[in-house]
Amino acid sequence: GAVVSQHPSRVICKSGTSVKIECRSLDFQATTMFWYRQFPKQSLMLMATSNEGSKATYEQGVEKDKFLINHASLTLSTLTVTSAHPEDSSFYICSASSPRHYNEQFFGPGTRLTVL
Amino acid sequence: KNEVEQSPQNLTAQEGEFITINCSYSVGISALHWLQQHPGGGIVSLFMLSSGKKKHGRLIATINIQEKHSSLHITASHPRDSAVYICAVPHSEYGNKLVFGAGTILRVKS
Repeated sequence: GAVVSQHPSRVICKSGTSVKIECRSLDFQATTMFWYRQFPKQSLMLMATSNEGSKATYEQGVEKDKFLINHASLTLSTLTVTSAHPEDSSFYICSASSPRHYNEQFFGPGTRLTVL
Repeated sequence: KNEVEQSPQNLTAQEGEFITINCSYSVGISALHWLQQHPGGGIVSLFMLSSGKKKHGRLIATINIQEKHSSLHITASHPRDSAVYICAVPHSEYGNKLVFGAGTILRVKS
């Protein structure tokens, strides 16, 4: 149990376009979902925390208008990178947690975004 | 000083060897996570533990809350164990957000 999926796994887009990444908890209801970004050879950096039905809480330095997060249901959160630029190229990972699983975070497989 | 420190940073082992990766932390925690990240990038949660020891297959994780130290052991290592192993702790001052260690890059040679 406790499987988290992400879609797409890989996306290449042109500069200026917007990209949506989906994060789904497949077999449990996730009260909280987290979005991370990882640069090559670096650790994960938390971008934002989202609770179902409420606005996401962004970490310092993360532009909320640039990285739109929607957590409309207990099994789905989306991250939209708006007007993407090459510097947004990165590996984006989501995780999901619920009190039922003692708030352990279960990670998705990640999405590699390349902006040309 | 980092709040979560892992050692070693890099580890190369021969297939079959017993491997130990260490994690020390300086903050009070409710539980500690061990994560595995393969070259493709996906992260797998191996263990979450708050006391004692947990075992899953060839993996064993131990934690000593008093000493603020945890170890991840791999018995009978195999090349497919090659990955980055990351220790993470929820930081009570940061709303229990995970604070990550820098990771240990493990390469198991056949």
